[in-house]
Amino acid sequence: KAGVTQTPRYLIKTRGQQVTLSCSPISGHRSVSWYQQTPGQGLQFLFEYFSETQRNKGNFPGRFSGRQFSNSRSEMNVSTLELGDSALYLCASSLSGQSDYGYTFGSGTRLTVV
Amino acid sequence: DQQVKQNSPSLSVQEGRISILNCDYTNSMFDYFLWYKKYPAEGPTFLISISSIKDKNEDGRFTVFLNKSAKHLSLHIVPSQPGDSAVYFCAVWGFTSGTYKYIFGTGTRLKVLA
Repeated sequence: KAGVTQTPRYLIKTRGQQVTLSCSPISGHRSVSWYQQTPGQGLQFLFEYFSETQRNKGNFPGRFSGRQFSNSRSEMNVSTLELGDSALYLCASSLSGQSDYGYTFGSGTRLTVV
Repeated sequence: DQQVKQNSPSLSVQEGRISILNCDYTNSMFDYFLWYKKYPAEGPTFLISISSIKDKNEDGRFTVFLNKSAKHLSLHIVPSQPGDSAVYFCAVWGFTSGTYKYIFGTGTRLKVLA
């Protein structure tokens, strides 16, 4: 079955712009989580959506937002981009979002802010 | 908040020998503990997990040990193979800072030498 698909794979934006990243979870998975990976910081949790509702949220500023559609696809938006937003953004899906079976991650979107 | 720490950023091991990756955490209320493997240009892949009620879980060449009193998690790979060369992240699942989420360590880069 198809895995988690993230688009685009690479993105270059300038400071002050906004960006939207997309994630299509595994078919049947209702939970989608977003993570930011930067060198030395590991994976930082952004938020989790389940059945179109934000269920959990990490400690990121309000410039980072997301949504989930009825088909479980999710988008993440970052407004007023800053240089420090340059990172690999990973999306992960799971059936329920709360288990010890782990998530299935996409390959990520590498965002570079110049 | 560094609630999950992987103090060794890198590790080199000879093929056929044992690889031991370590992870320390601070919150005794975490429920599940997981290990992920990440190759370059790919998202993390779930490897193995253990719940807080167990102290050992084994899956083929991979064994995870949990020492709750020491708040320490380790992953043993025996025997190590060149294909195991990747970045390994430990992750904990539980309720912290007002939300359920995974908290990831910063990763350990394992290099298995042929």
